[in-house]
Amino acid sequence: GAVVSQHPSRVICKSGTSVKIECRSLDFQATTMFWYRQFPKQSLMLMATSNEGSKATYEQGVEKDKFLINHASLTLSTLTVTSAHPEDSSFYICSANSGRGSYEQYFGPGTRLTVT
Amino acid sequence: QKEVEQDPGPLSVPEGAIVSLNCTYSNSAFQYFMWYRQYSRKGPELLMYTYSSGNKEDGRFTAQVDKSSKYISLFIRDSQPSDSATYLCAMREAAGNKLTFGGGTRVLVKP
Repeated sequence: GAVVSQHPSRVICKSGTSVKIECRSLDFQATTMFWYRQFPKQSLMLMATSNEGSKATYEQGVEKDKFLINHASLTLSTLTVTSAHPEDSSFYICSANSGRGSYEQYFGPGTRLTVT
Repeated sequence: QKEVEQDPGPLSVPEGAIVSLNCTYSNSAFQYFMWYRQYSRKGPELLMYTYSSGNKEDGRFTAQVDKSSKYISLFIRDSQPSDSATYLCAMREAAGNKLTFGGGTRVLVKP
């Protein structure tokens, strides 16, 4: 089956620093990757959609200068949280879609970010 | 009003019982309907997918879609403690690939 990995699984950083989260599709090429944010006991909120080689499309209310997304290859997308603040602490999950009419999004295991 | 509504639970059932989950939605353009299972601190895992109206069965899981009522259901037969998780419904329109999720229902299956 399709496997998506995320790294790191857990990260703690100080307020004001930047953190990069990687999302990789391990056994398929992902034309589209999605980044979600999930607060405790809440559902997934889509932050942005990225297509390989093009700029990400951000959802309303998501600051593109704060959450930098790069999808430089068909197997890797990165999310960088710049100048992190405690309110950015959350569970970040990526998913990948192979395109070509496929409906299915394969989710990564998530990254728990804690900003102190 | 949210596009997709789902009772947050928790829904507690004894082992072996049928778990009944549902979501309602307001966007009549939704054509694809999915159910995901999410264990604590893990990413969602796709359980069932249905297109348009109808029923689909896979092992202990049955998914139903009633587009006229804008209502979807997931039934889990012979529930096991390992079924304890949060169940998320998700939907998307025919065009595009953006999923809209419900809030999730937490299920507890007690031995």
